[in-house]
Amino acid sequence: DVKVTQSSRYLVKRTGEKVFLECVQDMDHENMFWYRQDPGLGLRLIYFSYDVKMKEKGDIPEGYSVSREKKERFSLILESASTNQTSMYLCASSPDRGLSNEQFFGPGTRLTVL
Amino acid sequence: AQKVTQAQTEISVVEKEDVTLDCVYETRDTTYYLFWYKQPPSGELVFLIRRNSFDEQNEISGRYSWNFQKSTSSFNFTITASQVVDSAVYFCALSEALRRIMRFGAGTRLTVKP
Repeated sequence: DVKVTQSSRYLVKRTGEKVFLECVQDMDHENMFWYRQDPGLGLRLIYFSYDVKMKEKGDIPEGYSVSREKKERFSLILESASTNQTSMYLCASSPDRGLSNEQFFGPGTRLTVL
Repeated sequence: AQKVTQAQTEISVVEKEDVTLDCVYETRDTTYYLFWYKQPPSGELVFLIRRNSFDEQNEISGRYSWNFQKSTSSFNFTITASQVVDSAVYFCALSEALRRIMRFGAGTRLTVKP
C-alpha cells in the first residue's frame, strides 16, 4: 500500500525557533513536494524535488528551505519560525515527471507558531 | 499563468440531494491534466480522478461523475444522492506541462447533513 508519512500531526513552536518537518515515502518515487494549506487559499507549493539533492522553489519559498539527502526523505525547514507560518503543511510524492501522475499525500502536520 | 478557480467556498446539502462542485481553470498549454482530490476530516488528500486535455468524455464512477468542457474551461464534479461520508473538502487541480507541478484551487467544503 502506498504510503507517505509525516513526522508529526501537530506541532507547537515558538517564534524564532528552528523547525524541521520530515516526510518519508515508501514508494521509491522520484518527486517530492511540500505544500502549505490555508483557508481560502488552497494548497500552495513551497518547494519540490525531482531527485536526491535537487530542489526547486515553488510559489512561496520565502522563509523555508528543504533538504533531500535520501530518495525517500524530504525535509522542510523553517529557519526562524514566525507566526505567519502557522498553517497545515502537506507533503506529497509522485513517481516521476510525467504530466499525468497523481500525487500521493501524507496526513499533514498542523504547525502552530506562538 | 495557470490558475484554478473554485468559486464555491462552502456547500451544505441534505443527504440524498445531488450536488455539483464547480472548477474553472486557465492555461496556455494545449496539453494538460486536470484532477480532483478529496480531503476528509483526517486530512490526507485522496485522489479521485484525472482527465487529460484531449479527452472530453464525461466520466461516471458510482455516484460520482465529472463533466469536462474545454469550451468553457470547466471540469465540474457531481455527486448524486449525496451521503454523510461525502462530507469533505474537495480540490480541483491542474497539472502544468512546463514545470510538471500541480496548481490547486482554493477548495470547496461540502457538508452533507443527515
